Amino acid sequence: AQTVTQSQPEMSVQEAETVTLSCTYDTSESNYYLFWYKQPPSRQMILVIRQEAYKQQNATENRFSVNFQKAAKSFSLKISDSQLGDTAMYFCASKAGGTSYGKLTFGQGTILTVHP
Amino acid sequence: GAGVSQSPRYKVAKRGQDVALRCDPISGHVSLFWYQQALGQGPEFLTYFQNEAQLDKSGLPSDRFFAERPEGSVSTLKIQRTQQEDSAVYLCASSLGVAVTDTQYFGPGTRLTVL
Repeated sequence: AQTVTQSQPEMSVQEAETVTLSCTYDTSESNYYLFWYKQPPSRQMILVIRQEAYKQQNATENRFSVNFQKAAKSFSLKISDSQLGDTAMYFCASKAGGTSYGKLTFGQGTILTVHP
Repeated sequence: GAGVSQSPRYKVAKRGQDVALRCDPISGHVSLFWYQQALGQGPEFLTYFQNEAQLDKSGLPSDRFFAERPEGSVSTLKIQRTQQEDSAVYLCASSLGVAVTDTQYFGPGTRLTVL
């Protein structure tokens, strides 16, 4: 079984600044994947970034990067140069390898508000 | 080139009514997932289809929930004798193949309110 915990219900940041969203997870799997999804008010969930657990290098996608600490089971998301369009609910999620059929386990979410 | 679509976008049902929620995945996508998202919470897995085969229904909360994908494309999630605790957003996602690495693309969801 997998569990994902996001301890920050809400965060806010000024436009152009940097913000970090926290996530911890637990899994008994040796092969797993971690994700950050963004859900704007329109509710269409969008993949922001993904990390394969076997890769030591932290994933980066433009202004988005992760800090993956495997031993601590921590997976935080850093958003640089925050933009108004980054305002959304952010979900951390995990997916086990093997025969899990790829179902995602989500955290409770963090509401991020970017202020002008 | 369209994404995942779901209908209706909003559904209000009286307690005890049956409802049917539709998901149109991206054309050619083999895998289809249903998730339930309660207000202010993260989505929770309900069921998974690989083409027309329902391979995992471990997340369905009760036998009032039933899902099908008879021709391996469109899927319907049916809830019988709806209860207030069924009120949630129901999300559908599809992915191209069956690899665990495949990205899931989500639809906009159907918001179900049971009165």
